[in-house]
Amino acid sequence: GEDVEQSLFLSVREGDSSVINCTYTDSSSTYLYWYKQEPGAGLQLLTYIFSNMDMKQDQRLTVLLNKKDKHLSLRIADTQTGDSAIYFCAERDQAGTALIFGKGTTLSVSS
Amino acid sequence: KAGVTQTPRYLIKTRGQQVTLSCSPISGHRSVSWYQQTPGQGLQFLFEYFSETQRNKGNFPGRFSGRQFSNSRSEMNVSTLELGDSALYLCASSLMGQGNTIYFGEGSWLTVV
Repeated sequence: GEDVEQSLFLSVREGDSSVINCTYTDSSSTYLYWYKQEPGAGLQLLTYIFSNMDMKQDQRLTVLLNKKDKHLSLRIADTQTGDSAIYFCAERDQAGTALIFGKGTTLSVSS
Repeated sequence: KAGVTQTPRYLIKTRGQQVTLSCSPISGHRSVSWYQQTPGQGLQFLFEYFSETQRNKGNFPGRFSGRQFSNSRSEMNVSTLELGDSALYLCASSLMGQGNTIYFGEGSWLTVV
């Protein structure tokens, strides 16, 4: 079945780049997403990438997609303390109407 | 443009009771989906509605139900509450349900005691 896996923790220093990795199983996924969740809050859509793209850049965020390896990554340039949060990778299910989420990567940024 | 609005934000219920949560999608969005988030199971899909029809359902017991109204607003209901139903319930909306952007609300925090 469909599954999304992420590493659980990442710790970086302010100003460094952060790279959060994700693997997914459904090769037919059309869209892949990154969401951010701060404590006590809902999910904030950060960015998404269509499956026929290799890369998407949006200000400090860069998404890389390797379809052959079913690997997705999110790079945050010049990481700030305000970037500390949980980051979720998600893919569409086969029906296309639900999201399958990873367990989330907790990003801790120290000054 | 207003975002996805969920009410109530916080509630406490007793085992055996039922609860109804409400979601107003972004104006113009016709697809509404619901997710349960718990520390142990993470984010799990409950169901998705489009134009008042349930199109997809996750692996949850029949105690969990939902509906969508003609104005796209949605409600979900959990009957005979169990302690394990304590969770953050998130609603998401999108234009058509199979497009690219899916936006979430702030969630409803349910505690069952």
